[in-house]
Amino acid sequence: QKEVEQDPGPLSVPEGAIVSLNCTYSNSAFQYFMWYRQYSRKGPELLMYTYSSGNKEDGRFTAQVDKSSKYISLFIRDSQPSDSATYLCAMTPILTGGGNKLTFGTGTQLKVEL
Amino acid sequence: NAGVTQTPKFRVLKTGQSMTLLCAQDMNHEYMYWYRQDPGMGLRLIHYSVGEGTTAKGEVPDGYNVSRLKKQNFLLGLESAAPSQTSVYFCASTHPRQEDYGYTFGSGTRLTVV
Repeated sequence: QKEVEQDPGPLSVPEGAIVSLNCTYSNSAFQYFMWYRQYSRKGPELLMYTYSSGNKEDGRFTAQVDKSSKYISLFIRDSQPSDSATYLCAMTPILTGGGNKLTFGTGTQLKVEL
Repeated sequence: NAGVTQTPKFRVLKTGQSMTLLCAQDMNHEYMYWYRQDPGMGLRLIHYSVGEGTTAKGEVPDGYNVSRLKKQNFLLGLESAAPSQTSVYFCASTHPRQEDYGYTFGSGTRLTVV
């Protein structure tokens, strides 16, 4: 079983819809949680990060972490065709001297249709 | 503002050939990483480095070697390429005290081994 599970999709939604992307994890040591966006044939880029449990909002994007359920989510409001990409969750325990190694989900492919 | 630069962008190798992938970053980051990305497998860590002159194994190190002779460069070598090493390779870097613990990724190298 993988440490981080993510539904690969593809997920297709109409423009303007609210999108919910999710990851579950098994390692209770994970403390920092991130979402990366990856456009086709490009490298991933950091979208949002959160520490421990709680919510964080940035424009149309909201990241949620529920450590008790080992479950994280990314919500996209008023989705746009430019949001079409693969979204990867990532997490790390941030151990001193551990190299800040991230464990990634496999990514969810999102397509926002006009 | 180059960030992380990977060369080459594409390469086709014959089984048994060797090659070196170069990663260069201009952000003075201490930590550097090599990942491979395969369909359904997500990003998997090959090797990483926490500073000049240091390297460590990641999740899938077999068949690869790395060197970090200069802080800004991280080289990934394939001594005898195999078809199983066909993949997209990403280099990433970060600073150990970076607030978001996120990585900056390069744009990738698409490698095909025939």
